[in-house]
Amino acid sequence: QVQLVESGGGLVKPGGSLRLSCAASGFTFSDYYMSWIRQAPGKGLEWVSYISASGNTIYYADSVKGRFTISRDNAKSSLYLQMNTLRAEDTALYYCVRADDYGDYEFYDYWGQGTLVTVSS
Amino acid sequence: DIQMTQSPSSLSASVGDRVTITCRASQSISSYSNWYQQKPGKAPKLLIYAASSLQSGVPSRFSGSGSGTDFTLTISSLQPEDFATYYCQQSYTAPRTFGQGTKVKIK
Repeated sequence: QVQLVESGGGLVKPGGSLRLSCAASGFTFSDYYMSWIRQAPGKGLEWVSYISASGNTIYYADSVKGRFTISRDNAKSSLYLQMNTLRAEDTALYYCVRADDYGDYEFYDYWGQGTLVTVSS
Repeated sequence: DIQMTQSPSSLSASVGDRVTITCRASQSISSYSNWYQQKPGKAPKLLIYAASSLQSGVPSRFSGSGSGTDFTLTISSLQPEDFATYYCQQSYTAPRTFGQGTKVKIK
């Protein structure tokens, strides 16, 4: 069965860095686009970033552009999010998400349980 | 960026009620809309993709409709396990965006 397991969250001071990892299993990782989606405590869902199956196409939300870097290692079935210059507003549960498609229609069909990032002094 | 606006933000309903949640996109997104359900402390779950396609394993009481800028999620007969927060999302262009959520509460 499909599993996505995030790690790397924790408490960090403003301006600090963290690297999130997501270990994928139960499917051919290199066939799928992947995303990071976050949810601040008590708030809604916010799309953060997206990477194509090969890693050649990457998009970011404006709120993280220039500070966050998404990457993947298909040999290790792993997804990463390098987060630099962290701000209090980056505090959230970060989900690793698989993107599937039906023709041109993309959707998020499997989600991890999330890893919590807290940015506070 | 495309804004997705859901209404209402919350609603109270009884078991057996028909419930409708709407989502409006700030520009036309054809049928590139999805719906998710999230229960407290859990990851979101995909319900509907491509505006009206039911995800495998999702009960048939859930349905989606719409195209262009206006979309609807309908629960034909609300069940106890359906009390949750529902989100729409567009996959028409990057950045992908979500609606703010609609919380369905017990009346």
